[in-house]
Amino acid sequence: QVTLRESGPALVKPTQTLTLTCTFSGFSLSTSGMCVSWIRQPPGKALEWLALIDWDDDKYYSTSLKTRLTISKDTSKNQVVLTMTNMDPVDTATYYCARNPYGGNSDYWGQGTLVTVSS
Amino acid sequence: EIVMTQSPATLSVSPGERATLSCRASQSVSSNLAWYQQKPGQAPRLLIYGASTRATGIPARFSGSGSGTEFTLTISSLQSEDFAVYYCQQYNNWPPRTFGQGTKVEIK
Repeated sequence: QVTLRESGPALVKPTQTLTLTCTFSGFSLSTSGMCVSWIRQPPGKALEWLALIDWDDDKYYSTSLKTRLTISKDTSKNQVVLTMTNMDPVDTATYYCARNPYGGNSDYWGQGTLVTVSS
Repeated sequence: EIVMTQSPATLSVSPGERATLSCRASQSVSSNLAWYQQKPGQAPRLLIYGASTRATGIPARFSGSGSGTEFTLTISSLQSEDFAVYYCQQYNNWPPRTFGQGTKVEIK
């Protein structure tokens, strides 16, 4: 059974760095072809893809947010971590992680974690 | 960057009727397109991948078609549980893996 769960702070202040962790089970990120993405969704708005990391530790980022994002993995802990620097109120959103076999569709998603940016 | 445009923004349909949702890519994405369903307060759920293949457990009333730049999601006979927001996403030419802005299917 594949599951993913996002964790991290519910509230961050402007200019702070956000660190989110995706803890998953039911698959391994050391398996050839396996990938994990981060996606976010501001309240009432559309989904926005942020970043992806693959089994070979290759990393891909949103072109508009590339300078602020870092994605990493800890295969032994079955975790993927996303950091976003210089947080702003417009970054308030629900952040999801999802599994992407062979870099394709997102077939399993976490339940999401709401992050609010406010002083 | 490939831009995905969905239409209409809102679709009002009566239960039992057919719903047709469109997704257009600004350049060809071959068949590397997925459709997701999202209900309020829930994570998106994969419905269709490869433009036309239903994901595991997805009812046969959901079908996807198209390739290149024009794609369609059809719900043949809307059930009460199908009223939701639907997103398309391309994964052909990335990064970024772009989503459309969504189509809300509401009860008429």
